[in-house]
Amino acid sequence: AQTVTQSQPEMSVQEAETVTLSCTYDTSENNYYLFWYKQPPSRQMILVIRQEAYKQQNATENRFSVNFQKAAKSFSLKISDSQLGDTAMYFCAFMTLEGQGGSEKLVFGKGTKLTVNP
Amino acid sequence: DVKVTQSSRYLVKRTGEKVFLECVQDMDHENMFWYRQDPGLGLRLIYFSYDVKMKEKGDIPEGYSVSREKKERFSLILESASTNQTSMYLCASRDRAAYGYTFGSGTRLTVV
Repeated sequence: AQTVTQSQPEMSVQEAETVTLSCTYDTSENNYYLFWYKQPPSRQMILVIRQEAYKQQNATENRFSVNFQKAAKSFSLKISDSQLGDTAMYFCAFMTLEGQGGSEKLVFGKGTKLTVNP
Repeated sequence: DVKVTQSSRYLVKRTGEKVFLECVQDMDHENMFWYRQDPGLGLRLIYFSYDVKMKEKGDIPEGYSVSREKKERFSLILESASTNQTSMYLCASRDRAAYGYTFGSGTRLTVV
């Protein structure tokens, strides 16, 4: 069974600084997808960034970037120039496509609560 | 703007009631999902559907059922609500050609 571990339940960072959120996962699959989702107090789950396991290049979306280490099964999220609006729960998630008929499973970590302080 | 709509943001029900949580997406997505979110536990998959009238159990299906009569609508049913089903429920959908989920805003259900 696939598992996703986020070892930091809570983190804080000063505005404009850089912060890194950790995520490790366990799988025997070779083809899979990794995601970081953000959930602000509004509760809307928002996709931050996505990484395909077959791509060696780390994904980047503006101030958000990942460090994907496939051999180590590690997928950390770096937020640069932190802004107050980045305050949210961040979830790391892992997905494989299993079997026929579009069957699939997206497995989430337990989340990291990030607070950006002014 | 594409979206997933959950009919209720907050819901309070009594123990033993039959509860329907509705989810509608306007993106013509094939796959739809119901997750439950609890503090310290993250999101756990209850059920998902990959086509009309098709469903598969997730990790925690006990006490729940689902219905998908139309492609755009995926309903979660609590046959007899219990206090341990008090939680946040999130619906999501995905286009099979893409690899990101679109989530609704969640329904916070309290069973008293």
